[in-house]
Amino acid sequence: LAKTTQPISMDSYEGQEVNITCSHNNIATNDYITWYQQFPSQGPRFIIQGYKTKVTNEVASLFIPADRKSSTLSLPRVSLSDTAVYYCLVGLINNDMRFGAGTRLTVKP
Amino acid sequence: DSGVTQTPKHLITATGQRVTLRCSPRSGDLSVYWYQQSLDQGLQFLIQYYNGEERAKGNILERFSAQQFPDLHSELNLSSLELGDSALYFCASSVGADRNSPLHFGNGTRLTVT
Repeated sequence: LAKTTQPISMDSYEGQEVNITCSHNNIATNDYITWYQQFPSQGPRFIIQGYKTKVTNEVASLFIPADRKSSTLSLPRVSLSDTAVYYCLVGLINNDMRFGAGTRLTVKP
Repeated sequence: DSGVTQTPKHLITATGQRVTLRCSPRSGDLSVYWYQQSLDQGLQFLIQYYNGEERAKGNILERFSAQQFPDLHSELNLSSLELGDSALYFCASSVGADRNSPLHFGNGTRLTVT
């Protein structure tokens, strides 16, 4: 069954680096990997997108290995305001665009 | 603010009824997507329109339909509502038709079917 898999939840402390991995064994050849952040009562918000290797922007980095069957979102020095649910979105070989189930990140003081 | 507007924010209705959810995309975006988010199913893609035409279809029930109008706003029609249709419905927009274009989400319509 083509799908994307993420950890259900993660805990961290302020100032730490957080890495969230998404597995997507059946990613389509030409599709990108996109990550979104969602706060309660809001729609998901775009964080970062990549095709392969490493992408970095002002809020996060995205690491994608050569086989592209997984990706890791890296949040440097998290703060309390980074507490949210993080989703990966991937195009699969069955032509489906599939969000992962989401990883609930809790940042503690 | 994503620039995507959804109305209404909340909707409470009874089983068997029909409702219409409305979405105005971000200025300049030609694609509109509809997603359903429930606790047990996560974010489920329903349907995509690009410049007025249906572009892609996901797990959309036959009781549900959508359209995109010439001014690019979109409506999602849900009919013969069941208790299980209670969920958050999100609209998202993007510039192009390419499914890899980053999505800009509205804040959703929370539908409660009683």
